[in-house]
Amino acid sequence: GAGVSQSPRYKVAKRGQDVALRCDPISGHVSLFWYQQALGQGPEFLTYFQNEAQLDKSGLPSDRFFAERPEGSVSTLKIQRTQQEDSAVYLCASSSRGQRTQYFGPGTRLLVL
Amino acid sequence: GDSVTQMEGPVTLSEEAFLTINCTYTATGYPSLFWYVQYPGEGLQLLLKATKADDKGSNKGFEATYRKETTSFHLEKGSVQVSDSAVYFCALSATSGSRLTFGEGTQLTVNP
Repeated sequence: GAGVSQSPRYKVAKRGQDVALRCDPISGHVSLFWYQQALGQGPEFLTYFQNEAQLDKSGLPSDRFFAERPEGSVSTLKIQRTQQEDSAVYLCASSSRGQRTQYFGPGTRLLVL
Repeated sequence: GDSVTQMEGPVTLSEEAFLTINCTYTATGYPSLFWYVQYPGEGLQLLLKATKADDKGSNKGFEATYRKETTSFHLEKGSVQVSDSAVYFCALSATSGSRLTFGEGTQLTVNP
């Protein structure tokens, strides 16, 4: 497909479990972003990659959150020891070199029970 | 830091009514401005954008003009349809490769 894809679309986790969320950006896009969207709120920035380099992780809420993009394409956001406050939609976006426009995937809806 | 403020919602209109959703921003330099739309259960879709002062972005009957003097980027549509019902987000990007900063979103419901 031509757009950003994310998997899984829905994830239910028990508190304390680890989860991994996957993002496959638009082919050729060097920039990749992760956002967290709480219910009824606007997306909040988590982290940013340019190719395989994580250039900004200032939005990660705690050291339980970890993201990687080892080959500069697919990215994984990992949340360890999930807590109820981690319940949200996790959005991935990508953009091409030198461009400010970001294109979003459908999101992963995480529910922590 | 950068910030975006949108008019509080929700907004409920009848079909064919005129729509305005206000958006103002605070940013250093010359940000790019965006409107994204989110339909239930979906991700964000780019609706329109403007990259410099006095630019007008337009798409699907929606328009917004980048007003630097008032730091605003209000979204307008002359005649809304039921299918326009969604949440609309105003956002800015300070530079290429930088994060988007979003407003809180405005829920629009259009009744037949």
